[in-house]
Amino acid sequence: DTAVSQTPKYLVTQMGNDKSIKCEQNLGHDTMYWYKQDSKKFLKIMFSYNNKELIINETVPNRFSPKSPDKAHLNLHINSLELGDSAVYFCASSRTTSGVNTGELFFGEGSRLTVL
Amino acid sequence: GQSLEQPSEVTAVEGAIVQINCTYQTSGFYGLSWYQQHDGGAPTFLSYNGLDGLEETGRFSSFLSRSDSYGYLLLQELQMKDSASYFCAVRSGGYQKVTFGTGTKLQVIP
Repeated sequence: DTAVSQTPKYLVTQMGNDKSIKCEQNLGHDTMYWYKQDSKKFLKIMFSYNNKELIINETVPNRFSPKSPDKAHLNLHINSLELGDSAVYFCASSRTTSGVNTGELFFGEGSRLTVL
Repeated sequence: GQSLEQPSEVTAVEGAIVQINCTYQTSGFYGLSWYQQHDGGAPTFLSYNGLDGLEETGRFSSFLSRSDSYGYLLLQELQMKDSASYFCAVRSGGYQKVTFGTGTKLQVIP
C-alpha cells in the first residue's frame, strides 16, 4: 500500500496548456507539501498545507494554484505552462504533534513534467 | 532567508567511511535532517538531529552542532547501493518549513 501517491507519474504537454497533478497520503499526516526539483536536482519548497490550511507559500508564480480538499489530499494546478516549469514535482507529507513537527517528510514518487 | 552548503560530489571506495558536511544559515532553527535520493527515485528520510550530538542508525550516523551551524552525515562500511545523492535539510521558522541543501552526489567505487 503506497503511503504517498501522485498521479500522473509523467506529463508531456505543450507550452500554454493547463495541467494538474494529484497527491494522496494514507499515513494520517496533517501536513502536506509540494516541492519542485529542477534539472540540477535542487529541491525547492513551493507550498505547504496543514489541515487544509495554506501555511507556506514561497514566491511561486500565481499560475500555480494548490488545493487541499481534505488533509489527505493535495493537488497542484498549473496554468499557461512555460518551458521553465519542466521539472519533477514531489508531493510530501509529515506529522505534527502538539505543534511540533516530527522532522520526517514522506515523499511521493514524483511527477515528471515536460513542457515542449 | 535560508542557505545550506554541501559539497557537490564525493567519491569513496566500497567498505570505506565517508563524511558529508553541511553548513547552514537560517533563523528560527529547529533541526537538521538528511535524505537519500537515488537517480529517478524519491528522497527518503535518513535521520534527524534536533539537539547537538550524534545520532546513529545502523551504518549511518548524523551529527549536529547548533553553535557552529554545522552538521554531517557519516556513512560507514560503504556499499555500492549507497551511491546516491544526499541532501541536508533544515527545519526552521514558525511553520517549521523544511529547506533542502543543493545535494551531494556520492559515488561508491569498487
